Amino acid sequence: GNSVTQMEGPVTLSEEAFLTINCTYTATGYPSLFWYVQYPGEGLQLLLKATKADDKGSNKGFEATYRKETTSFHLEKGSVQVSDSAVYFCALETGGGNKLTFGTGTQLKVEL
Amino acid sequence: NAGVTQTPKFQVLKTGQSMTLQCAQDMNHEYMSWYRQDPGMGLRLIHYSVGAGITDQGEVPNGYNVSRSTTEDFPLRLLSAAPSQTSVYFCASSYSRDSHYEQYFGPGTRLTVT
Repeated sequence: GNSVTQMEGPVTLSEEAFLTINCTYTATGYPSLFWYVQYPGEGLQLLLKATKADDKGSNKGFEATYRKETTSFHLEKGSVQVSDSAVYFCALETGGGNKLTFGTGTQLKVEL
Repeated sequence: NAGVTQTPKFQVLKTGQSMTLQCAQDMNHEYMSWYRQDPGMGLRLIHYSVGAGITDQGEVPNGYNVSRSTTEDFPLRLLSAAPSQTSVYFCASSYSRDSHYEQYFGPGTRLTVT
């Protein structure tokens, strides 16, 4: 079956530091890959996506590249801000319409 | 557009009570889903629907019922609440875009069963 593995949190960084959150997956077929962000007390919002190998998704300074050879979709940002503090979820979808498989989430805390 | 709305935001139930979590979307999305979020486990799919009148089970369906009589509404029913159902519940709707399905989530319902 499908599964997503994310690095354990919490991750604590100083403002303007470089961020990497690792995500690897196991899937049948050719999944689409997503990063969702959850701010405190809110629902999940789509942050970025990639639908085929070597695609790079990007949004709000965050980037992730779909690496089929390493089955990875690591999230990166060059300079984090306090406002980036949230929980980040990696997820995949294999064409089932609304069947997302999520990782366990990684909490990011950014301090001044 | 209001997007995906969920009511109530918070609920406390006693073991054995029943209740319905409401979910509505105004985007005319064909697909709707219910997930539960538990610490250290991410989100897990409970039930989903691919259109009015059509529902199916997800990963953790036991103890929950759903129906989809209209495109807009997708209520989740707990028939006899148990402490193991203490969780945060998210409803989502989705549509097909560029050969994949983009999901929109509601703000969640935090349920405590005592």
